[in-house]
Amino acid sequence: AQSVTQLDSQVPVFEEAPVELRCNYSSSVSVYLFWYVQYPNQGLQLLLKYLSGSTLVESINGFEAEFNKSQTSFHLRKPSVHISDTAEYFCAVYSFSGNTPLVFGKGTRLSVIA
Amino acid sequence: DADVTQTPRNRITKTGKRIMLECSQTKGHDRMYWYRQDPGLGLRLIYYSFDVKDINKGEISDGYSVSRQAQAKFSLSLESAIPNQTALYFCATSDLAGREQYFGPGTRLTVT
Repeated sequence: AQSVTQLDSQVPVFEEAPVELRCNYSSSVSVYLFWYVQYPNQGLQLLLKYLSGSTLVESINGFEAEFNKSQTSFHLRKPSVHISDTAEYFCAVYSFSGNTPLVFGKGTRLSVIA
Repeated sequence: DADVTQTPRNRITKTGKRIMLECSQTKGHDRMYWYRQDPGLGLRLIYYSFDVKDINKGEISDGYSVSRQAQAKFSLSLESAIPNQTALYFCATSDLAGREQYFGPGTRLTVT
């Protein structure tokens, strides 16, 4: 069975500083990988995804994540954060092994400090 | 209009009451899911349905039941609500490939 570990439950960072939110997964078969974002008092929305092709994927608001198969990781990065990036971020994995839903990590709360 | 809607958005109920949370989608997806979110625990899967005739238990199905009335509708029921079912509940859908999920806005349920 697949699993997802988000190594940090909370990450405080000053505005305009870089940030990395870490995600590791476990699966015995090929996977798709996702980052979802939940802004305060809202539902989850897709931030970016890796399905195939280039291992570096980007979002429209400056986040990027790199699929590293050998390290089974999909860390999320942004070179310069904004106050508006304050949110909870969830990593999720979908395995090709069969009809099983996405598996989510426990989330990382990113707090951007002015 | 939103692709995935949930009603009600907020609900306060008493211990022992039966309550139903409803989810509707206009994306034409076959697959639908119910999750609950608790601080520090992330999203946990309650039930999921891959089509109208298919219902599967998730990680934490005890105390919950579901009904898939149509492709577009998936309801979650708490037969006898208890305080530790106080949480934020999300409905989601996905296509047959089951990859990307689309979430509703959530229902905040409080059981007193």
